[in-house]
Amino acid sequence: GDSVTQMEGPVTLSEEAFLTINCTYTATGYPSLFWYVQYPGEGLQLLLKATKADDKGSNKGFEATYRKETTSFHLEKGSVQVSDSAVYFCALGGNTNAGKSTFGDGTTLTVKP
Amino acid sequence: DVKVTQSSRYLVKRTGEKVFLECVQDMDHENMFWYRQDPGLGLRLIYFSYDVKMKEKGDIPEGYSVSREKKERFSLILESASTNQTSMYLCASTAWGEADSGNTIYFGEGSWLTVV
Repeated sequence: GDSVTQMEGPVTLSEEAFLTINCTYTATGYPSLFWYVQYPGEGLQLLLKATKADDKGSNKGFEATYRKETTSFHLEKGSVQVSDSAVYFCALGGNTNAGKSTFGDGTTLTVKP
Repeated sequence: DVKVTQSSRYLVKRTGEKVFLECVQDMDHENMFWYRQDPGLGLRLIYFSYDVKMKEKGDIPEGYSVSREKKERFSLILESASTNQTSMYLCASTAWGEADSGNTIYFGEGSWLTVV
């Protein structure tokens, strides 16, 4: 079945450091790929997505490129801020019309001033 | 602004009580989900529904049931709450679409349930 493997956390960085959170997947077909973010005490919200190979999703300075050859969708940001402290989830889009997605376990990021 | 609203943010219930968690979405989405989130276990799907009165079991349905009488509302029911159901519960919805269509999932803010 489909699966998502995320880099284990927690990750602690200093402000303005470079961020990479690795995500690899196993799936039949060519799913859409997503990064969701969960700020403390809140639900998840979409950060960015890519719907086909070589697409780059970007938002709020974060980027991720859909790499079919390596089945990866790594999240990057050039300079993190304290406000980026959150839990980040990589996800495969649903492979049926019912939209049931597959989520990674989440990676907790803490950014220190 | 799209919205998934969960009726209760924080609940404390006694063992054996029947518990209802309500969720309403205003986006006319066909698909709705209930997840449970526990530290170190990520998100686990309890039940989902792709149409009114339709439901499908997710990965951990034991001890739970659901109800979807109207398109915008999806309720999670704990028939007899137990302490191991203490958790954060997240409701979500997404539009019906072609497989791998890239439809975004929209989440509510979560309901923190403590069973004592």
